[in-house]
Amino acid sequence: DIVMTQSPDSLAVSLGERATINCKSSQSVFDSASNANELAWYQQKAGQPPKALIYGASTRESGVPDRFSGSGSGTDFTLTISSVQAEDVAIYYCQQYYNSPLTFGGGTKVEIK
Amino acid sequence: EVQLVESGGGLVRPGGSLRLSCAASGFTFNNDWMNWVRQAPGKGLEWVANIKKDGSEKYYLDSVKGRFSISRDNAQNSLFLQMNSLRAEDTAVYYCARGRGWYIDSWGQGTLVIVSS
Repeated sequence: DIVMTQSPDSLAVSLGERATINCKSSQSVFDSASNANELAWYQQKAGQPPKALIYGASTRESGVPDRFSGSGSGTDFTLTISSVQAEDVAIYYCQQYYNSPLTFGGGTKVEIK
Repeated sequence: EVQLVESGGGLVRPGGSLRLSCAASGFTFNNDWMNWVRQAPGKGLEWVANIKKDGSEKYYLDSVKGRFSISRDNAQNSLFLQMNSLRAEDTAVYYCARGRGWYIDSWGQGTLVIVSS
């Protein structure tokens, strides 16, 4: 199984500041057939289901604000919130969909300082 | 708009069975992979199973293999999860989720399963 490791477990950021979340996979999730990293990011607010933010490591889902960006390749990935807003308070998960079982990182809780 | 509505959760004793259902609407159901993902209280997300658009391929988390069975009825736009030999560690909110390929892009609100005596 591919193990997904996120860091940090939590972070407190001032409004308008940048938040950076890291995700590392135990093996590469780059699919040469599709020429894409099979890595997604999800946001889960309290009491709600997850919401898809990014797929292919860096492609934003429709309607996702452009302050959210994803980067990385192979085994190391990053989710950046360029200017944190109050509504961004949530837990963020990375997930690989390269092979079965699909696996998630442990989550990173983002709070406002 | 994609809508996924789960039902069938509840309280069940260890060793018991439960069948979850998911009613899908707002998209062409038989074009997409479908998934079940669970979340234990206060814990992270754990993928459980998925099924190909025509039902010809199914994949499971190791800990549920032989106990859970995923199926779908494309005529009724419905997804199911038959859960047998339930254990306390299966207690979780179970989400129905649509896949674009294996990428999960849409989630239902979830249904709570509690396994307890």
